[in-house]
Amino acid sequence: EDQVTQSPEALRLQEGESSSLNCSYTVSGLRGLFWYRQDPGKGPEFLFTLYSAGEEKEKERLKATLTKKESFLHITAPKPEDSATYLCAVNAGNNRKLIWGLGTSLAVNP
Amino acid sequence: NAGVTQTPKFRILKIGQSMTLQCTQDMNHNYMYWYRQDPGMGLKLIYYSVGAGITDKGEVPNGYNVSRSTTEDFPLRLELAAPSQTSVYFCASRPPERASYEQYFGPGTRLTVT
Repeated sequence: EDQVTQSPEALRLQEGESSSLNCSYTVSGLRGLFWYRQDPGKGPEFLFTLYSAGEEKEKERLKATLTKKESFLHITAPKPEDSATYLCAVNAGNNRKLIWGLGTSLAVNP
Repeated sequence: NAGVTQTPKFRILKIGQSMTLQCTQDMNHNYMYWYRQDPGMGLKLIYYSVGAGITDKGEVPNGYNVSRSTTEDFPLRLELAAPSQTSVYFCASRPPERASYEQYFGPGTRLTVT
């Protein structure tokens, strides 16, 4: 069965303390892996798409990487405004739908 | 572009009442989706549509109905509301390009059924 697992469930960092969030997946025929950010009371906001192992994408303090089994979202020198829930999703096979992880809740303290 | 808009933002229903959640997108996206999000459960797909006149069930369609008469609009209908339908509902859309599967979300509707 296709599955997406995110870890940790929650992470608390001090401002400037770099870390990584993990998204592991078991799917047949990956067509794309997606990272989203969700702020409280709002809809998910698209961040990155990764299509093949070895691919990397960057945006400000965020960098997403992809292997054949997992993806990492690296956060370098985070700021309090990076506090949010980060969601991972995959599209696989001939599916028109996304398979979603449960998210990692990130809190960055000033 | 306004993107994906949803109305209302909040609603309280009594058990057995009905309502329609509205969703509109102005990006000319073919694909549209309805999700519900519950604490600790992640996003669950209710229904989706690949274009006007075409809809299909997702993971949790029971108790809901949809229609897609235009490219822009994808309303979600709740008939005979139940407490189990208390949730936050998100509408999303995505472009038809084969290489682009990312979805764009609306701000959500928070529904309480009591």
